[in-house]
Amino acid sequence: DTEVTQTPKHLVMGMTNKKSLKCEQHMGHRAMYWYKQKAKKPPELMFVYSYEKLSINESVPSRFSPECPNSSLLNLHLHALQPEDSALYLCASSQTETGTGELFFGEGSRLTVL
Amino acid sequence: DQQVKQNSPSLSVQEGRISILNCDYTNSMFDYFLWYKKYPAEGPTFLISISSIKDKNEDGRFTVFLNKSAKHLSLHIVPSQPGDSAVYFCAASAVGGGSNYKLTFGKGTLLTVNP
Repeated sequence: DTEVTQTPKHLVMGMTNKKSLKCEQHMGHRAMYWYKQKAKKPPELMFVYSYEKLSINESVPSRFSPECPNSSLLNLHLHALQPEDSALYLCASSQTETGTGELFFGEGSRLTVL
Repeated sequence: DQQVKQNSPSLSVQEGRISILNCDYTNSMFDYFLWYKKYPAEGPTFLISISSIKDKNEDGRFTVFLNKSAKHLSLHIVPSQPGDSAVYFCAASAVGGGSNYKLTFGKGTLLTVNP
């Protein structure tokens, strides 16, 4: 099983809503990532979790709140978002946070904030 | 400041010919490079990688060349097939010394292979 699965695939929310994006992998990877990708731009790193602990926060606004309940799951809680937060949110995993090895990406959750 | 640059937003080639996608980087700490392929409505898929200790890595139809002195890498696809039509992202990371595995992506090049 070499998949990273993300739900939901599409999400539309208002600026006052609270929602969550979910990511799951069963490859035994110990590092998981959230990336944000706007149209015609490269993926931008938001957060890195290593062994279920937050390792990197790329100065992401607090309206994005990551959570890693266990080694297979990664959530991104969304609250009071702005329309400019509309983007494709990609989850990824890798064996560890250090060393070489590929990142496995999910298909992404396309978020629209009205 | 873009540390990984893909200066060609798009490239069109004929089926069966060679596709060459280019990538330049500015951060001399980068020592590991990857190419990802992305179809619409899908996440990026790993294609091929190269460590800075090598100057070439080959996997089937895909070959990546690294020129460290020029801070340049390229992806060659031979022969190109219509199914190769996708956006190709170059990515780089500084992994030496146990650094955090943080990929920096280029903006991508849209490859179209015409039948």
